[in-house]
This record gives sequence, structure tokens and C-alpha cells, in this order.
Amino acid sequence: DAGVIQSPRHEVTEMGQEVTLRCKPISGHDYLFWYRQTMMRGLELLIYFNNNVPIDDSGMPEDRFSAKMPNASFSTLKIQPSEPRDSAVYFCASSLVLAGLQFFGPGTRLTVL
Amino acid sequence: AQTVTQSQPEMSVQEAETVTLSCTYDTSESDYYLFWYKQPPSRQMILVIRQEAYKQQNATENRFSVNFQKAAKSFSLKISDSQLGDAAMYFCAYRSYTGTASKLTFGTGTRLQVTL
Repeated sequence: DAGVIQSPRHEVTEMGQEVTLRCKPISGHDYLFWYRQTMMRGLELLIYFNNNVPIDDSGMPEDRFSAKMPNASFSTLKIQPSEPRDSAVYFCASSLVLAGLQFFGPGTRLTVL
Repeated sequence: AQTVTQSQPEMSVQEAETVTLSCTYDTSESDYYLFWYKQPPSRQMILVIRQEAYKQQNATENRFSVNFQKAAKSFSLKISDSQLGDAAMYFCAYRSYTGTASKLTFGTGTRLQVTL
């Protein structure tokens, strides 16, 4: 298996633009997680899905952030409009079961100018 | 809410030596998981080792072992025979055992340097 796949690996955009980050979980994994890593706040969970349904989105910072999982093999995290403080590394992770090991993707480094 | 504290922002170890990274956590739960993740410069988050709180025996994975002290809420990582490839950020993480609270709570990380 190729592991968790994220795209793009790097994204540079200007303030106010829409940004879409993509994730393909490991096949067969029922849980998908989006994390954000910043110097100030470290690693924090934004949202997670079970069988394509959002379960806990309490970590989503504000309405500018939205996440979807239209099918078992694809999820997006969208920021609209983006702001410089959104600059971070965004990780996607997946696990087979709720209490299972979470496998992380390589991350997307987002820079908002 | 659970919190995870890593009090060592940076550590350094000579190749082939042993180093211990500290982690403490705060929780009111009795059952939970603890993890150590490694993040090399590639940014990939790699699971190093996992410990279930109900297990008294400390987890071991090759050169990596933990010292789990449940009463003290301490979970340190020992790396034996350190190698250059061990240089990375190391994150301690906590996760509830049951329920819908499946999120990982991470510490702030310890940057490990390995010198010749």
C-alpha cells in the first residue's frame, strides 16, 4: 500500500485566495483525521471522519475552514478565504478502527502571503 | 482535558550512546494510549512506539523502549545505540482508550541531535 497520500506537498498562495488540500487515506481505513502543525500551537486535530461522516469538528478554527469526504478514498480541507495565520503544515492521517494506529501522510506545507 | 508536556525542547546525543526523552501528561482517565512519534526533516510523522495504559510491561521496539510510570503520569522514551538517522523531532502523544474521543493530543516536541 502506498500509505496516506496528500497533495499538494507545498502550496503558496496570496491572502484572500481559496486553498484546497487533498488526502487519500489508506484503502480500507474507516477513519480519517486532519491535523495542523504550527510553531505556536504544535500539532492539533482539526476534524475527523468515520465512514465519510464528520464526527468531531471542534478543532476547526473558524468558518473559513471546511472539510469534506465525498467517498472512502478522498477528503478535502478547504480554506476560503485564506489568511497569513493559516500558514502551517497540514497532515492527514487514517486508521482502520477508532482505537487503531493512525498513519500520517507526508503533509502539505501551506504558505499564505 | 488531557495535556501532554515535553519539557526538553532540544537534546543531543553522541552516536552509539543512549538518550532519554521525557514526557509527562495529565488525565483523569484510567485507560488510554500513549505514543511516541518521530518527525524527520521530511516532515513525515512516523510511529515509533505505543503503550497501552492497562499494560504494566513497558513497550519495546528494537532500540526504542519506554519507561511508563502510570502513577506519576510519566512516559519517557529511551533510544539505545543512537544512530545518525535518529535525528528528528520526537512527539509524545496521548489518546483516550474508548469513546468518540479518538484524537491524539501531542506535546510540543523534543528536537534530537545526533553527533559523531
